[in-house]
Amino acid sequence: DVKVTQSSRYLVKRTGEKVFLECVQDMDHENMFWYRQDPGLGLRLIYFSYDVKMKEKGDIPEGYSVSREKKERFSLILESASTNQTSMYLCASTLTGRSPLHFGNGTRLTVT
Amino acid sequence: DQQVKQNSPSLSVQEGRISILNCDYTNSMFDYFLWYKKYPAEGPTFLISISSIKDKNEDGRFTVFLNKSAKHLSLHIVPSQPGDSAVYFCAASQGGSEKLVFGKGTKLTVNP
Repeated sequence: DVKVTQSSRYLVKRTGEKVFLECVQDMDHENMFWYRQDPGLGLRLIYFSYDVKMKEKGDIPEGYSVSREKKERFSLILESASTNQTSMYLCASTLTGRSPLHFGNGTRLTVT
Repeated sequence: DQQVKQNSPSLSVQEGRISILNCDYTNSMFDYFLWYKKYPAEGPTFLISISSIKDKNEDGRFTVFLNKSAKHLSLHIVPSQPGDSAVYFCAASQGGSEKLVFGKGTKLTVNP
């Protein structure tokens, strides 16, 4: 069974801090994704990666960057956290474009 | 512009009855559709999918119907069970792309 693990379930950070969200998958999947989920807005794609060191912007990349140095690990970076980045962050992976996404359990980030 | 719309934020049904969740899309290039279920404090889990070459796909109690001319799909759950209470997301992609576009979700409550 595919496992996508997000390193933290809950995080509280201060405005202006640099924040790292880590995600690891154990099924040798090519593609990895970062989404955020907000009430009334559904899931919105921030960034995705289809190979090591490759990345593409999603629909809302502003204020975020990503890093994929190893196939199994995909990191989301908030360069300078702001209160409007308070959200549930979900990492996902998939083998191919027609395979369903496998999600982690999410990281609830609060920026104060 | 919202390409995948779930116009009902919530739905309440009695145990044993049918639940029908609806989804509309605007992009005629979408050719692959999926439904995900999400419980609180967990990541979304894949439920069922349908390709645009089909108009129906069934998996146990879950059936997805696709009406391409109306750009509409629906998820039927029969019979509904209290454990089906969750938020359901509709998602779509085009041309084998790894990128999914999600709707805002519908919260289903199945009352015992």
